[in-house]
Amino acid sequence: DAGVIQSPRHEVTEMGQEVTLRCKPISGHNSLFWYRQTMMRGLELLIYFNNNVPIDDSGMPEDRFSAKMPNASFSTLKIQPSEPRDSAVYFCASTTSGAGGIQYFGAGTRLSVL
Amino acid sequence: QKEVEQNSGPLSVPEGAIASLNCTYSDRGSQSFFWYRQYSGKSPELIMSIYSNGDKEDGRFTAQLNKASQYVSLLIRDSQPSDSATYLCAVHSGTYKYIFGTGTRLKVLA
Repeated sequence: DAGVIQSPRHEVTEMGQEVTLRCKPISGHNSLFWYRQTMMRGLELLIYFNNNVPIDDSGMPEDRFSAKMPNASFSTLKIQPSEPRDSAVYFCASTTSGAGGIQYFGAGTRLSVL
Repeated sequence: QKEVEQNSGPLSVPEGAIASLNCTYSDRGSQSFFWYRQYSGKSPELIMSIYSNGDKEDGRFTAQLNKASQYVSLLIRDSQPSDSATYLCAVHSGTYKYIFGTGTRLKVLA
């Protein structure tokens, strides 16, 4: 398996622009997580999907952030409008109940909002 | 009090020594515990998982869990410069939620 695939790897945008991050989980995994990592706050859970349904989005910073999972093999995280404080590395991770709780991370998207 | 606490480091050890990384957690209902290694600019990768009290060994790595003390540790024997990275402790309570510590930066000096 190719693992969790994220795109783009790097995104540089200007404040106010819309940003869309993409994730393809490992085939057969039914749980998907979006995290944000910064030096100050570490790895923070933004939203969790189980069987394509958002279960907990309490970590989403504000209404500017939204996430969807239209099918088992694709998820998006959208920021609109983007702000400089959104600059961070965004990771997607997936797991399944048969994986002993082990999460597998994608390579991440490094977002810079100027 | 943070839910998962780690010393941020850096923890510096000479090559060949034992590196000891520690993590405490607050949720007594936690059931699964993980150590992830993260190289600079890379994503976290699983090193060890542990689910019951005691020690679990895998090559040069040993994870230790003490649920009564709410403490989990990772020992790295014969540390190598390639072990230099940030080590993240993660705790899973049995629901969907995984709580990560902020990580301990390890530097192995050649």
